Parts: sequence; structure tokens; C-alpha cells
Amino acid sequence: DAGITQSPRHKVTETGTPVTLRCHQTENHRYMYWYRQDPGHGLRLIHYSYGVKDTDKGEVSDGYSVSRSKTEDFLLTLESATSSQTSVYFCAISEPGLSTDTQYFGPGTRLTVL
Amino acid sequence: DQQVKQNSPSLSVQEGRISILNCDYTNSMFDYFLWYKKYPAEGPTFLISISSIKDKNEDGRFTVFLNKSAKHLSLHIVPSQPGDSAVYFCAASDMDSNYQLIWGAGTKLIIKP
Repeated sequence: DAGITQSPRHKVTETGTPVTLRCHQTENHRYMYWYRQDPGHGLRLIHYSYGVKDTDKGEVSDGYSVSRSKTEDFLLTLESATSSQTSVYFCAISEPGLSTDTQYFGPGTRLTVL
Repeated sequence: DQQVKQNSPSLSVQEGRISILNCDYTNSMFDYFLWYKKYPAEGPTFLISISSIKDKNEDGRFTVFLNKSAKHLSLHIVPSQPGDSAVYFCAASDMDSNYQLIWGAGTKLIIKP
């Protein structure tokens, strides 16, 4: 299994509060991704990073920001959580050239916004 | 507009028989396709992939077939085992997408004993 951890694994918060989710990898992979999974939608890309301090928006980036100050850590921040951001969030990593476009996933964080 | 579609939300198959999961795509620029398997409360795990220069890739009990003219791929599992019960996602990418994957909505496979 790829060395990817996510913290916290579960979180309940209230509307309007800031939330930060952390993804940590020990594989030294260059690319990191944040997805959300909702019923009927599969996985949707929020943001991704292709190197330290290099990030870009995905399909559903509104309301989210990210930061990557070290290769191993990728943070996802909800500045002011809303109920529509209740979801399961997955972090993934990949190393282009090593295994083409294969991404390896963390265990997920279940976020509930009340 | 979904570029990758898995039209069957669920599929039930008898243990020992063949499971066939289907995936359709609309973007002719996709050149790499992947299947992932997901158990509840876990992240997706990579299962098998295929490049657009091939029409078949096999790994043990799992075979993926690609029909480029029909923009269709399928995953065959033979024989199906109880541990195969999971949600299966197909995903696709193209060389210009900066390694982004476009995902289908998933198919829940249930293997009956």
C-alpha cells in the first residue's frame, strides 16, 4: 500500500467555521490531489498540486483552497464550511513516468457540516 | 456533461460466474483508462489499466477490453468471488490533461453466494 494518511478521518463541524484537512505521503510523489465523493457523482477533483507551491484548480474548486509547502503534505481548507460541503474527501498521489496516470488514494475523511 | 459514464448503478452476479462492468466515454482524446475498486470506508484501490494503443489487458482474473470506435470499455472478472463485492469506478485521462483523471459514477457489484 502507498504510504498516504489523511487526518482527521472523521469531522463534524458547524456552518461558517473554517476546516483544514491534511494529507501526508511518504512516497515522495510529485503530484497530489484532493477529491470529494458524493453519491451519483463518483470522484470529483477539487484541487491538485504538481510540486511544492504549485497548485491548480479542479472541477469543483469553489469554496476550497489548498497549500503545499512540503513535498509530503497537501492541505485542503474550507474557509467557511457550508452544508453542501458535507462529503467524503480523498487525497491521492501519483508520479508521472513511474506508473503513467495511476493515482493511489488515502483512506478518506468523512466531513459533516451541520 | 459527464465525459465518463457508468450506466449501471449496481450489478448482482452469482459466485463463480463472470462479472462484466461497463463504461462509456465521450472524449475521443482520452488515451488511458483505469479501473479502481472501492470497499466501504476505504479509499479506491487501483485494479487494472489499459492504454488506447491496446484493445485488451489481462491481469489474473481481471481483463479490461477497450473498443475505441464505440468509445466503450468493459471489465471482466472471471470467476467472481465474494471478495469482489465492491464499488468499481472507471476513469480516463488524456495526454494534455496534466495527469487529471475523469471518473465515472461507479457500479456497485454484489457477488451472491
